[in-house]
Amino acid sequence: GESVGLHLPTLSVQEGDNSIINCAYSNSASDYFIWYKQESGKGPQFIIDIRSNMDKRQGQRVTVLLNKTVKHLSLQIAATQPGDSAVYFCAVFTSGTYKYIFGTGTRLKVLA
Amino acid sequence: DTAVSQTPKYLVTQMGNDKSIKCEQNLGHDTMYWYKQDSKKFLKIMFSYNNKELIINETVPNRFSPKSPDKAHLNLHINSLELGDSAVYFCASSSTGAYGFEQYFGPGTRLTVT
Repeated sequence: GESVGLHLPTLSVQEGDNSIINCAYSNSASDYFIWYKQESGKGPQFIIDIRSNMDKRQGQRVTVLLNKTVKHLSLQIAATQPGDSAVYFCAVFTSGTYKYIFGTGTRLKVLA
Repeated sequence: DTAVSQTPKYLVTQMGNDKSIKCEQNLGHDTMYWYKQDSKKFLKIMFSYNNKELIINETVPNRFSPKSPDKAHLNLHINSLELGDSAVYFCASSSTGAYGFEQYFGPGTRLTVT
């Protein structure tokens, strides 16, 4: 079956450094990719998305990179701040099957 | 205004009981979902409704029954609760007509079965 995995369950970064969170997916037909942030005690919150016809998209302090050849997705956070501490999920949507699959999550810890 | 709301926020109950969780969204979205998040933060989709019709029904026990009275509401009823049902349940909604399919999540309902 389809799977979406994250390479690191926990990532610790120094405040001010850049963070990179990775995600691998298995279905080459997937056409929409999303990153979510989940703070403690809250529901996941949309951060940024990218369609399969793009390989890079930038937001405010965040960039998502998509490599369809190796089925890999990454989220880059510039100048990581304490408020970035959370669990980050990648999610993959396949419009043909209407399947929406979340990755296992990476906990980002920002060290002061 | 809360975009996606769930009630109750906490639910503590005994094994064998029947309980319901309610969800409402005021975003005008046409698709709603229920997710279960376990203690390891793994998010698993359970159901999805589009315009009040069930479109995704993952392998969940038939003790779980979703009901969508209208596009803005998706309730989850659970019969004969078991210890393994303890988790956080999230409701979410999305719009299929928008650029993307990002989902908006509710605050979650923490269900504890004793």
